[in-house]
Amino acid sequence: EPEVTQTPSHQVTQMGQEVILRCVPISNHLYFYWYRQILGQKVEFLVSFYNNEISEKSEIFDDQFSVERPDGSNFTLKIRSTKLEDSAMYFCATKLLADNEQFFGPGTRLTVL
Amino acid sequence: AQSVSQHNHHVILSEAASLELGCNYSYGGTVNLFWYVQYPGQHLQLLLKYFSGDPLVKGIKGFEAEFIKSKFSFNLRKPSVQWSDTAEYFCAMIVRHSGGYQKVTFGTGTKLQVIP
Repeated sequence: EPEVTQTPSHQVTQMGQEVILRCVPISNHLYFYWYRQILGQKVEFLVSFYNNEISEKSEIFDDQFSVERPDGSNFTLKIRSTKLEDSAMYFCATKLLADNEQFFGPGTRLTVL
Repeated sequence: AQSVSQHNHHVILSEAASLELGCNYSYGGTVNLFWYVQYPGQHLQLLLKYFSGDPLVKGIKGFEAEFIKSKFSFNLRKPSVQWSDTAEYFCAMIVRHSGGYQKVTFGTGTKLQVIP
């Protein structure tokens, strides 16, 4: 069964450094999302991406964050200058059509020291 | 603004006990509702979903949920839990509107611990 994959599974970085989290969507999926889950808290929506542009973003998704599909396959989340409070599990999700369910990747655990 | 609330943060049950986890949502229009499960160290998996039709939906692993529109509820049930059901359960909602620009709004989650 096709699935969403994410790399790396765990990223440790120093505060102020840039990180790029990668997601490989299920083939032919058209809608892409990033969510995050701070330890002990609920899963929060960050951003949705469709037709090569951001369609919606939350208040969490400030100027430090950006997303792109550089090669038409990978879907990346970049955090320009990480802060301690960016430490969380980041989930990518994708779906084929507007009314379909979203399929979640296994997540990338980001630890900012 | 839409929101999802889960009443129980931590539930402890013995094996074979019945389970009901509460979920209420806040939104005046059409919604799609989901229950996701997250086993320790694993990613979110879809347990079941409600889009339309029969309000009693059956999912994987013997779980079911009932959508009661008048109560804005979508409670998760299982008649007899097993130790392997120990996990965190998230109720979630998608608001349906045009354009496909939808996001999942999650509840805070309920940690279920099943004691052998």
